Amino acid sequence: SQQGEEDPQALSIQEGENATMNCSYKTSINNLQWYRQNSGRGLVHLILIRSNEREKHSGRLRVTLDTSKKSSSLLITASRAADTASYFCATEIKGSNYKLTFGKGTLLTVNP
Amino acid sequence: GAGVSQSPRYKVAKRGQDVALRCDPISGHVSLFWYQQALGQGPEFLTYFQNEAQLDKSGLPSDRFFAERPEGSVSTLKIQRTQQEDSAVYLCASTPEGNTIYFGEGSWLTVV
Repeated sequence: SQQGEEDPQALSIQEGENATMNCSYKTSINNLQWYRQNSGRGLVHLILIRSNEREKHSGRLRVTLDTSKKSSSLLITASRAADTASYFCATEIKGSNYKLTFGKGTLLTVNP
Repeated sequence: GAGVSQSPRYKVAKRGQDVALRCDPISGHVSLFWYQQALGQGPEFLTYFQNEAQLDKSGLPSDRFFAERPEGSVSTLKIQRTQQEDSAVYLCASTPEGNTIYFGEGSWLTVV
């Protein structure tokens, strides 16, 4: 079973534009993480935000977390063609200090 | 090694055949995970090791699935009497305790 739901399922933008992906989840969490997966490759960890944090930045990435709404967003600014990939949110559920529950992902296509 | 290494990268098995998938985690990483990712879906948790101890195998879909990590480093995921629904990417991940999770490139299993 998958706890996270990403929205939209697919997103197509032009290079230089910003991309926003959303994630909703159902149960209380320790933290929420975002991963990128290029076609045919493994997952790459992007950023982790803890349940007591509201916003986090890493380079061109900005993640927000709203625990009252059980939702998170990932913003990629000034997108590049190389950002084309699937993006997954994953939650570490409260009470578990290791198991991640992933959503189905958002397929981002950045057109040059 | 530089990262989590998985072999084989690609495996085609005939229905009913047994398969073994190998994972070499990053040296010194205590925790090791196996996830299953079906086409178009997010990864789903299979099992978790801390050193050689299998602390959680709640995600293994049936008793045909078996995982081991006898010396606390290399792990093997074995699937007996493979069925078509076992076709998926099997992802291995490792982490030093409590830190970023590093995923391998995955073993792509197709059961025909």
